[in-house]
Amino acid sequence: GAVVSQHPSWVICKSGTSVKIECRSLDFQATTMFWYRQFPKQSLMLMATSNEGSKATYEQGVEKDKFLINHASLTLSTLTVTSAHPEDSSFYICSARRGTGRGNTIYFGEGSWLTVV
Amino acid sequence: GEDVEQSLFLSVREGDSSVINCTYTDSSSTYLYWYKQEPGAGLQLLTYIFSNMDMKQDQRLTVLLNKKDKHLSLRIADTQTGDSAIYFCAESDQAGTALIFGKGTTLSVSS
Repeated sequence: GAVVSQHPSWVICKSGTSVKIECRSLDFQATTMFWYRQFPKQSLMLMATSNEGSKATYEQGVEKDKFLINHASLTLSTLTVTSAHPEDSSFYICSARRGTGRGNTIYFGEGSWLTVV
Repeated sequence: GEDVEQSLFLSVREGDSSVINCTYTDSSSTYLYWYKQEPGAGLQLLTYIFSNMDMKQDQRLTVLLNKKDKHLSLRIADTQTGDSAIYFCAESDQAGTALIFGKGTTLSVSS
């Protein structure tokens, strides 16, 4: 079964509103979670690295005020797309790292489709 | 920076073997992964290989790693129509802090 759960799987929102996507590790504690975005017919793009209890590290070109990331607990990270616009419509995927160092494994959520109308 | 390259398309007949190839640039990568993405779904981890291994077999899947040439391949034996999907290879950096993905290979299986 799934070890990382994303919610919602699909969301449609009006332009200008904010939408929150949750990423949960179901049976392990994840000190580090990652948020990716996938445009149609393209590969995943890493948006940010989320560390529990500290600020997220954003990749170059990703607006931190636009994509708010909160990793308040060891099993939950949230991505909030603020003041969403149609160009924010995309497939957002999170992943969570289980373990540390050489013994770690990364598990992906099932992704969240965001459509902004 | 790191880069992962894959061919974009592969078409095979049902029952044949499929071989999906990938090259990567970061010689310090400790883990290399193969993911499968079916239409409208998230990524599914298929298998992974440690950089100190040459081969890993898991049922119909065989992963071959040529570290000298930085070449990774995924062989699917007895390919079925349900194997049609996009396959991504990915490398992790030494700290395991991020995954670098290729653009994906679309596998089409015809009956």
